[in-house]
Amino acid sequence: GDSVTQMEGPVTLSEEAFLTINCTYTATGYPSLFWYVQYPGEGLQLLLKATKADDKGSNKGFEATYRKETTSFHLEKGSVQVSDSAVYFCALYNAGNMLTFGGGTRLMVKP
Amino acid sequence: NAGVTQTPKFQVLKTGQSMTLQCAQDMNHEYMSWYRQDPGMGLRLIHYSVGAGITDQGEVPNGYNVSRSTTEDFPLRLLSAAPSQTSVYFCASSRILAGRGEQYFGPGTRLTVT
Repeated sequence: GDSVTQMEGPVTLSEEAFLTINCTYTATGYPSLFWYVQYPGEGLQLLLKATKADDKGSNKGFEATYRKETTSFHLEKGSVQVSDSAVYFCALYNAGNMLTFGGGTRLMVKP
Repeated sequence: NAGVTQTPKFQVLKTGQSMTLQCAQDMNHEYMSWYRQDPGMGLRLIHYSVGAGITDQGEVPNGYNVSRSTTEDFPLRLLSAAPSQTSVYFCASSRILAGRGEQYFGPGTRLTVT
């Protein structure tokens, strides 16, 4: 079946540092890929998405590129802020009725 | 728009008790779902519905029941609570045609079973 693997956290960075959170997937066909973010005490929010190979999703300074050859969708941001501290989930949708989530990566940004 | 609302925010149950977690959305979304979130395991789908009167099982349905009598509401029932059901529960909704990957989540219900 489909699966998503994310780097384990927590990831701790200083403000203005460069962020990469790795995400790889296993799926048949051509899934759509997503990054969701969960701020403390809240539900998940869609951060960005990509629906086909080589698409780049971007939002709020975050970017991720759908790489079919490496089955990856790594999340990047050039300069993180304290307000980016949250848990980030990589997910895929591949027909049917289910989103498949990775285990989540906690990001902590220190001033 | 309130989006997706869930009640209660917190709940403590004793083993064997039953309860219903409420979920409502005001976006006229056809698709609604329930997930549980456990540390290190991401979110796992419990049950989902593609419209009023239609429900189906997800990845981890045992011990839970759902019904969908209206477009807006999708309650989750725990029949006989067990400590293994201690978790955070999220309800989500989306349009069918826009792609079910783009889901709107409620704020969650934190459930502890003792």
